[in-house]
Amino acid sequence: ETVLTQSPATMSLSPGERATLSCRASQSVSNYLAWYQQKPGQAPRLLIYDASKRATGIPPRFSGSGSGTDFTLTISSLEPEDFAVYYCQHRNEWPPGAFFGGGTKVEI
Amino acid sequence: QEQLVESGGGVVQPGRSLRLSCAASGFIFRNYGMHWVRQAPGKGLEWVAVVSSAGITKYYGDSVKGRFTISRDNSKSVVSLEMVSLRVDDTALYFCAKEGGDSKFSFDFWGRGTLVTVSS
Repeated sequence: ETVLTQSPATMSLSPGERATLSCRASQSVSNYLAWYQQKPGQAPRLLIYDASKRATGIPPRFSGSGSGTDFTLTISSLEPEDFAVYYCQHRNEWPPGAFFGGGTKVEI
Repeated sequence: QEQLVESGGGVVQPGRSLRLSCAASGFIFRNYGMHWVRQAPGKGLEWVAVVSSAGITKYYGDSVKGRFTISRDNSKSVVSLEMVSLRVDDTALYFCAKEGGDSKFSFDFWGRGTLVTVSS
C-alpha cells in the first residue's frame, strides 16, 4: 500500500500570493501522481495528471512537478476562486487500486 | 458533454444493504474503467473500488473488500455498487469517477455524489 502524505494540512495565504503544496509518497510512484481541487459541496476536479500535465481547461497558474516520492503543486498567484482543498492521488498499474493524500486546505 | 449521475443513497440501518448506481452519458462508456470514491462527512477522499472497461477486472479497497461489489452494464452505460453488511463508518458521500482519457492513473470526471447514511 502506498501512503501519500500532504503538507501542510492548512495554509493561510492572500490573493496574489504563491502557494506551494507538497505530497510525499511512502514508496516510488514514478510520475503516476495527480492533483485535485475540491470546493465545499462540489465534486473534486482534476487539475494535474502524470505529475506535471495540466488537465483540460486548467489555467496555467497551476503547475505540478516531481517524480518518485516527492511532488509539488504550485499555484503561482492565488485567485479568489482558488481557496479550496487540494488532494494528491496515485494509482497503481497493478494492483489497480488508488490512494489519496489527506488534503491541504488553502484558506484566505 | 460528459455527465455522471449517482443515485440510490439513503439512510440504512447497520447490517443492511444498499445498491448505488451511476448513469453515464456524453462519452463512450465502454472504453473507460470506472471507480467509486467516498468521502465521510468533513473528511478526505477514500478510494473504494474499480471495474475495468469490459467489466472483467474488479478491485476493492481494504475497508470494503468482501462486503461491496462493483459491476457495470455497458449496454446501459451504468456502473453499480452493491453494498452489504453496512457499518456506521460506511457513512459517506459516494462519488463515481471516470478514468482519465489521457491517463488511466487519474480520474478526469466525477459525479456529484450520493449520500449514504448508516445509522440505527
